[in-house]
Amino acid sequence: NAGVMQNPRHLVRRRGQEARLRCSPMKGHSHVYWYRQLPEEGLKFMVYLQKENIIDESGMPKERFSAEFPKEGPSILRIQQVVRGDSAAYFCASSPPGTSGSTDTQYFGPGTRLTVL
Amino acid sequence: AQKVTQAQTEISVVEKEDVTLDCVYETRDTTYYLFWYKQPPSGELVFLIRRNSFDEQNEISGRYSWNFQKSTSSFNFTITASQVVDSAVYFCALSEGYTNAGKSTFGDGTTLTVKP
Repeated sequence: NAGVMQNPRHLVRRRGQEARLRCSPMKGHSHVYWYRQLPEEGLKFMVYLQKENIIDESGMPKERFSAEFPKEGPSILRIQQVVRGDSAAYFCASSPPGTSGSTDTQYFGPGTRLTVL
Repeated sequence: AQKVTQAQTEISVVEKEDVTLDCVYETRDTTYYLFWYKQPPSGELVFLIRRNSFDEQNEISGRYSWNFQKSTSSFNFTITASQVVDSAVYFCALSEGYTNAGKSTFGDGTTLTVKP
């Protein structure tokens, strides 16, 4: 079974450009989570999605950031007009369907390391 | 609000020493889940263990063991006879069962260096 897949693994953008990060959950998983890890820090929750629904986006910055998990295809974390402070590792996790996203272990992808020049 | 504190920022030991990584958590929920993850230098996150709030039984897996004590809100992780390959950043995380379902709160991590 393939694990959670993220691409690209490394992404370099100039200030003002857009960054698109993709996450394919493990087979059979319908819950996706995005976390951000700034250098020398722990992971910070950003958003929790199920297919076609945003369940909790309390950790998402109000501007420039958006996430989706369409019926078909991977989940996308989109950052518009990137700034240097967006440089970080972005991790995606997935868990199987259940009554609550937190009752199951979240399995993490390898992360996308975004560098903004 | 949920919070996870890993007071030890960095720990350095010599190979074969035992080492304990501390984790203290705060939550208002009676149902919650605790996790430990390992992040080696390559950067990925490796799941180690998940514990629910109703199961205080300690667990041992090879050289790894976990001590869950609700009375002190702690979920400590011990590596016995440490090895160089154990060098990594270790994260403790908390996920609430109802209030913030789906969201895991991570500690800031403990960087463990095992020297040969």
